[in-house]
Amino acid sequence: AQSVTQLDSQVPVFEEAPVELRCNYSSSVSVYLFWYVQYPNQGLQLLLKYLSGSTLVKGINGFEAEFNKSQTSFHLRKPSVHISDTAEYFCAVSGGNTGKLIFGQGTTLQVKP
Amino acid sequence: DTAVSQTPKYLVTQMGNDKSIKCEQNLGHDTMYWYKQDSKKFLKIMFSYNNKELIINETVPNRFSPKSPDKAHLNLHINSLELGDSAVYFCASSQSQSQPQHFGDGTRLSIL
Repeated sequence: AQSVTQLDSQVPVFEEAPVELRCNYSSSVSVYLFWYVQYPNQGLQLLLKYLSGSTLVKGINGFEAEFNKSQTSFHLRKPSVHISDTAEYFCAVSGGNTGKLIFGQGTTLQVKP
Repeated sequence: DTAVSQTPKYLVTQMGNDKSIKCEQNLGHDTMYWYKQDSKKFLKIMFSYNNKELIINETVPNRFSPKSPDKAHLNLHINSLELGDSAVYFCASSQSQSQPQHFGDGTRLSIL
């Protein structure tokens, strides 16, 4: 069975500060890892994905994440956040051949001026 | 053009009614999904179809019945609606089961 844990339910940060949103997963098979962002009253938008290859993955809007197999982590980072980054962020894992996504509980990023 | 579109966006109805939510994707993807997001924003998969064939059927009450008339459409029919069905339902699609999923904007279902 697979599971995802997002270690912080809320992360307040000031504009232009760096941020890290933490994600740990467990799985008995090789996994694909994703970060999605959800703006208020909208659907989920893919930020970035790790399927294979380089463990440092760059995504949209200046976000990046690093896959760490030994620590089973996939933390999301941005060096300088904007007010517009305020949203809900979801880490997700899929494995096997069904495409089933297992989501973490979500982290609310609150960027303050 | 909207890649994954769901209708309606909002659905308010009474307990015991039957309702349907429609989903269409114009990305040419083979796989489509339904997810439920509860009031605490937790997302859980309900169903998945690949080329009109059901491949994921999570522990969902049989009042929920998905139907895929073709690979671009995946509809969700719900019978005898209950208060606990209030949630946001998201449709998604992907090129294949290992590729990222593209989500619709969701249907907010409220049961009175």
